[in-house]
Amino acid sequence: EIVLTQSPGTLSLSPGERATLSCRASQSVSSSYLAWYQQKPGQAPRLLIFGASSRATGIPDRFSGSGSGTDFILTISRLEPEDFAVYYCQQYGTSPYTFGQGTKLEIK
Amino acid sequence: EVQLVESGGGLVQPGGSLRLSCAASGFTFSIYWMHWVRQTPGKGLVWVSRINSDGSSTTYADSVKGRFTISRDNAKNTLYLQMNSLRADDTAVYYCARWSPRGRGADYWGQGTLVTVSS
Repeated sequence: EIVLTQSPGTLSLSPGERATLSCRASQSVSSSYLAWYQQKPGQAPRLLIFGASSRATGIPDRFSGSGSGTDFILTISRLEPEDFAVYYCQQYGTSPYTFGQGTKLEIK
Repeated sequence: EVQLVESGGGLVQPGGSLRLSCAASGFTFSIYWMHWVRQTPGKGLVWVSRINSDGSSTTYADSVKGRFTISRDNAKNTLYLQMNSLRADDTAVYYCARWSPRGRGADYWGQGTLVTVSS
């Protein structure tokens, strides 16, 4: 199975700053089938990015995804207070459709 | 409005069985692939299983293969997860998720149902 490793485990930033989250795959992700999800405490995950770089419906343009092959990045250009949450990447090109372990974005 | 509502969770002894349901509304259920994802309290997301739109194709994580069965009833707009031979490490919140067509990810999720396996 494809193992996804997210870094850092925790990212401490202030509102207004730029966040860069990494997701590295143990082997190439087929057709850039890589998604990013946001999860807040007590809530279900929310789809942010699919196909490595396409924003899901209703997602603000401060969220952007990039990358291909084995290295992917989620960038939040200017952090808003509501962006502090846990972020997961998921590859869905090869079954099993594995998730990374998550990056917690916390307020500094 | 798209809604996914899970039910059927609860406390079960090791070796026991449970069937989860996910009632879908607000969209044409029969044309969407569906997934189950679980999350141990305080931990990360783990993909469990998926089923295609007509139920003819299913896939499972190795950790549940042979013990769990995903199915659907398109007439009832309901997704199921039959869980047998449950173990303590199956304890988790189980989410159902709608898979958007053409590789666009899991675009809608239920709120989850908690399964606790303990004696």
